[in-house]
Amino acid sequence: LAKTTQPISMDSYEGQEVNITCSHNNIATNDYITWYQQFPSQGPRFIIQGYKTKVTNEVASLFIPADRKSSTLSLPRVSLSDTAVYYCLVGGETGANNLFFGTGTRLTVIP
Amino acid sequence: DVKVTQSSRYLVKRTGEKVFLECVQDMDHENMFWYRQDPGLGLRLIYFSYDVKMKEKGDIPEGYSVSREKKERFSLILESASTNQTSMYLCASSLLAGGRDTQYFGPGTRLTVL
Repeated sequence: LAKTTQPISMDSYEGQEVNITCSHNNIATNDYITWYQQFPSQGPRFIIQGYKTKVTNEVASLFIPADRKSSTLSLPRVSLSDTAVYYCLVGGETGANNLFFGTGTRLTVIP
Repeated sequence: DVKVTQSSRYLVKRTGEKVFLECVQDMDHENMFWYRQDPGLGLRLIYFSYDVKMKEKGDIPEGYSVSREKKERFSLILESASTNQTSMYLCASSLLAGGRDTQYFGPGTRLTVL
């Protein structure tokens, strides 16, 4: 079962690139890696998903090494509005009983 | 846009009361989920449902039950609320099951059991 581990918190200054790493040593062959963002008083929302190598969208990039035992969410040039909790989710294509959310990383962006 | 709504943002109940948390989604999604969120523990899956009247236990089903009589509605039931069930409860839905598909979350219900 692919349990996930993330840093509890991170601080960054505005304009810097932020990298948040999630460890998932027991990831299964058919598992995907998805990252969610959660603002206070809101539910999490999808940011990015990947299976291997690198994925980039308008919000973030996701780097996944060849062994897939970890993944790194990269947020370019963060702003104050990026202050949130970021969750890593690992799970396969079917079923929900092998879905594992990480404990989340609280990112604080400092002016 | 997918919309997932939860019946209450804040709820205060007493120990031993029966509590119903309601969740409704408007995108005809097959799958619906109930999570609880606690500081330091992240999101933990309580139950999920992949079809009307179908349900599966998640990681922490003890003390909870669920009901899905209609596709758009998924209810979480605390048969006899206890103080250790004080938490944030989040509902989500997705078209496909599993980790491949995006889950859409409601705003959450913060439940306090006194």
